[in-house]
Order: sequence, then C-alpha cells, then structure tokens
Amino acid sequence: AQSVTQLDSQVPVFEEAPVELRCNYSSSVSVYLFWYVQYPNQGLQLLLKYLSGSTLVKGINGFEAEFNKSQTSFHLRKPSVHISDTAEYFCAVSAFNNNDMRFGAGTRLTVKP
Amino acid sequence: DGGITQSPKYLFRKEGQNVTLSCEQNLNHDAMYWYRQDPGQGLRLIYYSQIVNDFQKGDIAEGYSVSREKKESFPLTVTSAQKNPTAFYLCASAPPAGGRGYTFGSGTRLTVV
Repeated sequence: AQSVTQLDSQVPVFEEAPVELRCNYSSSVSVYLFWYVQYPNQGLQLLLKYLSGSTLVKGINGFEAEFNKSQTSFHLRKPSVHISDTAEYFCAVSAFNNNDMRFGAGTRLTVKP
Repeated sequence: DGGITQSPKYLFRKEGQNVTLSCEQNLNHDAMYWYRQDPGQGLRLIYYSQIVNDFQKGDIAEGYSVSREKKESFPLTVTSAQKNPTAFYLCASAPPAGGRGYTFGSGTRLTVV
C-alpha cells in the first residue's frame, strides 16, 4: 500500500516570498503523484500531477513540483506567493495499477501581507 | 460541463435524526468516494464504490450507509448511530484507470444540533 507524509502542518509566509510545501511518499510499486488545493468551504481542486517523464511538473496558479524518486519526495513550490494562495494543500499518491488514492494530512498555507 | 454536484451546501439536523447527503456526477466515472473532513484531520474515507450495486467500507464507516443504484449517484446517509456527525463531507469520483486523479464536489457542511 502507498502512504503520504506532509512534513509541515502549517506554513506561514509573507506575500511575494517563495514557498515550499514538503511531501514524502512510500510505496513498493510505481506511483502517480498529485497536489490538490482546498479553499475554505470548498472541495479539492487539482493543482498538478506527475505521471511520468520530466520530473519537474508545472500546474495552475504558478505552482510547480519536482518528483525525486531517490528521496521519494514530491515537494510543491511557488517562487512568489499571493494572499489568494492562502488555502489547505494536500499531497496524494496512487499506484499505477489502480485508482486507490492516499492523501496526506494537509498543509495549511497562510500568506500574510 | 462535466462535474460532481453535492447538495445541499449546508444542512442542519436535530440529534437523533437520519440525514441523506446527495452526490451526483456526469463524468461517466465508475468509482465514487465519500470523505469526512474535520478541522486539522485531513480526509478520512467513509465508503467507496468501484461499480454499480457494489460498495466497500472505508476507514470510518460506522454510523454511515450508502447505496449505488445508478452510476451517476452515490448518496450517503448519516444515521443516528454516528456519534459525532457534525463535519464537512466531500464526495469524489474517478475513472477506473490510475493517473487521472479524483474529481471532487464542493462539499456539504452538516451541523447537528
């Protein structure tokens, strides 16, 4: 089975600063990796996903993530955050051969003016 | 546009009453899921269904029931046996193959008084 660990439960950052949200995963088989964003009182929205190929993937809202197989990590980054990026971010993993998805506990990103 | 519709957005019920949350999708997805979300606890899987007329318990199924009579619909009933039903409930769907990720509804916030 797969599992996901998000290393930070809360990340406060000032507006226009860079941010990195950390995600490590564990799996005995090859996996797909995802980042979702959740704004207050809304569902989860897909930010980006890694399926194969280039290890650097770009998503919506200027976010990107890098897949590192040797370190089993999939950290999310943004070079300059906005107040509107304040939200909960979830890392998720699913195996190649099924759609069973495991979610991390989430990281609350708070962008301060 | 295809998507998932959860209704209602907000629901209030008296303690001891059963309540049913609606989830409808027009994405032609085979799999559907129900999650419960409490502050600071991430997503917890209640029930899931991979095919019509079949469903399985997730991690916290006690006090909940579901049905899957149609591919498009996966209603969740919160019964009086659920000891702490106040929470945010999310429905999701996915195609059978991995790599597409889950599509989420916008959620139902249930408050039991």
